[in-house]
Amino acid sequence: SQQGEEDPQALSIQEGENATMNCSYKTSINNLQWYRQNSGRGLVHLILIRSNEREKHSGRLRVTLDTSKKSSSLLITASRAADTASYFCATALRGAQKLVFGQGTRLTINP
Amino acid sequence: DAGITQSPRHKVTETGTPVTLRCHQTENHRYMYWYRQDPGHGLRLIHYSYGVKDTDKGEVSDGYSVSRSKTEDFLLTLESATSSQTSVYFCAISESTVNSNQPQHFGDGTRLSIL
Repeated sequence: SQQGEEDPQALSIQEGENATMNCSYKTSINNLQWYRQNSGRGLVHLILIRSNEREKHSGRLRVTLDTSKKSSSLLITASRAADTASYFCATALRGAQKLVFGQGTRLTINP
Repeated sequence: DAGITQSPRHKVTETGTPVTLRCHQTENHRYMYWYRQDPGHGLRLIHYSYGVKDTDKGEVSDGYSVSRSKTEDFLLTLESATSSQTSVYFCAISESTVNSNQPQHFGDGTRLSIL
C-alpha cells in the first residue's frame, strides 16, 4: 500500500463551507507537503510542514501534523469555486531523496 | 510560476518506437525529477537528477533512461515504448533535496499515448 493515503478520495461541498482532507503515512518523515492540481495542469505547492511542527497556516489553508498518529490534515476555509481541484499530500521520507505522493482527494466546490 | 517547460505537451506514437521527452528550466535549480501520473497510482517517481550528469533511479525506472548534460535540461527516454507507458509525465525541479525542506515545482505535463 502507499506511503501516503488521502481520505476522502472525493469531496463535494457548497461554496463558503470548509473542506477538510486527511493524509496518513507509514514511516518516519522529514516533512509533509500539500499540493494542488487543477485539471490538465501540473501540481502547485501549497504548504510544507516540518516533522517538528504541529500546525501551519497560509491564507485560508491550515495544515496540522500529528507524528504520533502519522497523519496530517488540510483545512480550506470559506471555500471558493476556484478551489475545485485535486489535492495531494507528499511525504519526504527520512534518508530518502524523494517525495512519495498519495493518490489525492478530488475536491468539488458547488456554487 | 517556476520557469519549467515540458515538450512536447502531447504525443501519440506506436509500440516499439523510441520516445524522448524534454524538460527545460530557467530557475538554475540543482534537482530535477521525472514522474508519471496514472489513475489509481498517483504520482510515481521514475528518475531524478541531483546535478549535471548525476542521476538516480526512482520507484518505476524500468524501461526508462535519463540524461542531464546541462543544468537546465533533463531528458527522459523510452527506448522502446510499450502500451503500459501510456501516461501523463511530469517534470519537477527543486533547489535542494526534499529533506532540506524545499518544495518541488512542476511543469504542466506531457500526455503520452502509445498505441
